[in-house]
Amino acid sequence: DTAVSQTPKYLVTQMGNDKSIKCEQNLGHDTMYWYKQDSKKFLKIMFSYNNKELIINETVPNRFSPKSPDKAHLNLHINSLELGDSAVYFCASTQGRSEQYFGPGTRLTVT
Amino acid sequence: GESVGLHLPTLSVQEGDNSIINCAYSNSASDYFIWYKQESGKGPQFIIDIRSNMDKRQGQRVTVLLNKTVKHLSLQIAATQPGDSAVYFCAENLSGRRALTFGSGTRLQVQP
Repeated sequence: DTAVSQTPKYLVTQMGNDKSIKCEQNLGHDTMYWYKQDSKKFLKIMFSYNNKELIINETVPNRFSPKSPDKAHLNLHINSLELGDSAVYFCASTQGRSEQYFGPGTRLTVT
Repeated sequence: GESVGLHLPTLSVQEGDNSIINCAYSNSASDYFIWYKQESGKGPQFIIDIRSNMDKRQGQRVTVLLNKTVKHLSLQIAATQPGDSAVYFCAENLSGRRALTFGSGTRLQVQP
């Protein structure tokens, strides 16, 4: 009964490719997020959706496009991958203004 | 620059000792604060939170203290155990904004 799940857990790909990461939450939360964690462990917000509506879009290259088909899912598509995109990407969800629940992360390695 | 400040230091403690992890924040408009624990290869896990109308909150073996005057947050772990070894992050939430700003984390190492 995983609360926030992500697929895949590991993703190794070459520069220039397009890839997607999927996230699902079964907590009934209304808000979902994508965070990026760099090699120094720094966590930074990328996007947030509330009831399928984009509410936060930080300074992220437009090669990154989030999509929320429904309240329980938030996917992240990345076009033309670059070396600097290598990181761990975390999905999270929350209800209202309370603690965010994080998924296990997707480690993306661009070669 | 980021408003929540820690530059990933390492805190090493003996098993059974108490641990104190500190965090400074700079945005006085933040009104909700959370501590997360991240074990290797896993996502951040909620430990405890506190809202700005409080200055102390206790959980099981953990206490969070908030000093709004000096914009300081601390996490106290009582009787630290090897399983507490992880990276700890503080995070702040600006009033009216549904996103967290994270500090850069503190690595806690518990020596048996």
